[in-house]
Amino acid sequence: AQTVTQSQPEMSVQEAETVTLSCTYDTSESDYYLFWYKQPPSRQMILVIRQEAYKQQNATENRFSVNFQKAAKSFSLKISDSQLGDAAMYFCAYSHRNTGNQFYFGTGTSLTVIP
Amino acid sequence: DSGVTQTPKHLITATGQRVTLRCSPRSGDLSVYWYQQSLDQGLQFLIQYYNGEERAKGNILERFSAQQFPDLHSELNLSSLELGDSALYFCASSVGGGAAATEAFFGQGTRLTVV
Repeated sequence: AQTVTQSQPEMSVQEAETVTLSCTYDTSESDYYLFWYKQPPSRQMILVIRQEAYKQQNATENRFSVNFQKAAKSFSLKISDSQLGDAAMYFCAYSHRNTGNQFYFGTGTSLTVIP
Repeated sequence: DSGVTQTPKHLITATGQRVTLRCSPRSGDLSVYWYQQSLDQGLQFLIQYYNGEERAKGNILERFSAQQFPDLHSELNLSSLELGDSALYFCASSVGGGAAATEAFFGQGTRLTVV
């Protein structure tokens, strides 16, 4: 079974600084997707970034980028120039290529942004 | 606004009762996914429907059932409710039903409290 582990229950970052959230996963599959979702206090799940396992290039979306290490089964999220609006719960998620949006989620990391 | 509508936003009910949660997917989306977010279990995939047919089942209890109607809205039925069923129930929708190439959009969830 696939498992996703987020070992940092809480993180904090100074506004305008950079922070990295960690995620590791376990799977025997070779073709899959990895995601970072953001859940602000409004509780809506918002897709931050997505990585396809067969792509070696790390995904980036504006201030958000990932460090995908397939052999190590590691998928960290880097937030640059942190903003107050980045404060939220961040979830790492895995899905197998053939099972669409059936996600396995990690337990989440609560990010606080300090003004 | 993701375009996915869930009703009601909040629901309080007694143990042993039955409730129905409703989800209207984004226009044009054929797949609906249901997720449960609880303190004990985290975020868990429950079930997926694609164009009216059940596509996949996750950790859904036998007391729970779902369906997707011809207009593509979906309902999640929870019966013989227990205190442990208290959770946030999310619906997500996507255009596709198989490969994860299409982005999933989440609703704001229904907060169920069983007393």
